[in-house]
Amino acid sequence: GAVVSQHPSRVICKSGTSVKIECRSLDFQATTMFWYRQFPKKSLMLMATSNEGSKATYEQGVEKDKFLINHASLTLSTLTVTSAHPEDSSFYICSARPHSAGSYEQYFGPGTRLTVT
Amino acid sequence: LAKTTQPISMDSYEGQEVNITCSHNNIATNDYITWYQQFPSQGPRFIIQGYKTKVTNEVASLFIPADRKSSTLSLPRVSLSDTAVYYCLVGDKDGGSQGNLIFGKGTKLSVKP
Repeated sequence: GAVVSQHPSRVICKSGTSVKIECRSLDFQATTMFWYRQFPKKSLMLMATSNEGSKATYEQGVEKDKFLINHASLTLSTLTVTSAHPEDSSFYICSARPHSAGSYEQYFGPGTRLTVT
Repeated sequence: LAKTTQPISMDSYEGQEVNITCSHNNIATNDYITWYQQFPSQGPRFIIQGYKTKVTNEVASLFIPADRKSSTLSLPRVSLSDTAVYYCLVGDKDGGSQGNLIFGKGTKLSVKP
């Protein structure tokens, strides 16, 4: 149980275009989902916290108008990178926190490799 | 959120026991300690979580002293496939907190034959 999927696993786009990444909790409901970015050989950096039915909370330095997050249901959150540029190329990872979590649990997706040319 | 400090890297050989220690001097009363494993180009995988004393599962053991200012992840008899980055995190228990996870730099474990 507790499987999180991401789609697509890899995407290549041209500079200036927008890319949408989906994060789904497959066998549980997630009130909260998180989006991370990881550059090569670096640690994960939290970008934003996504709550179902409300606006996402962005970490300092993350542009909310560039990284649009929509958490429309208890099993789906999307991250849209708008007007992508080469510096946005990175590994994007989501995680989901079970709705009924009694302790501190998060389950991570497999990640999405974004390359902007 | 409590900051964590881990060794940047560790080397080991197959079959050995590996202990990775994490310091978290500012851990809060409600914080749990969680360890994740990450392989290249994959999302982190939950290994173990604890609050105090000792926790053991089929993969690892977690030792937490009484003051909770540090914790040690113990991997018994490692194999080549245990080569990965291991992250120690502390975070709030459910009950109002969003449960934000802040990743430190992690420990890159290299297991050699």
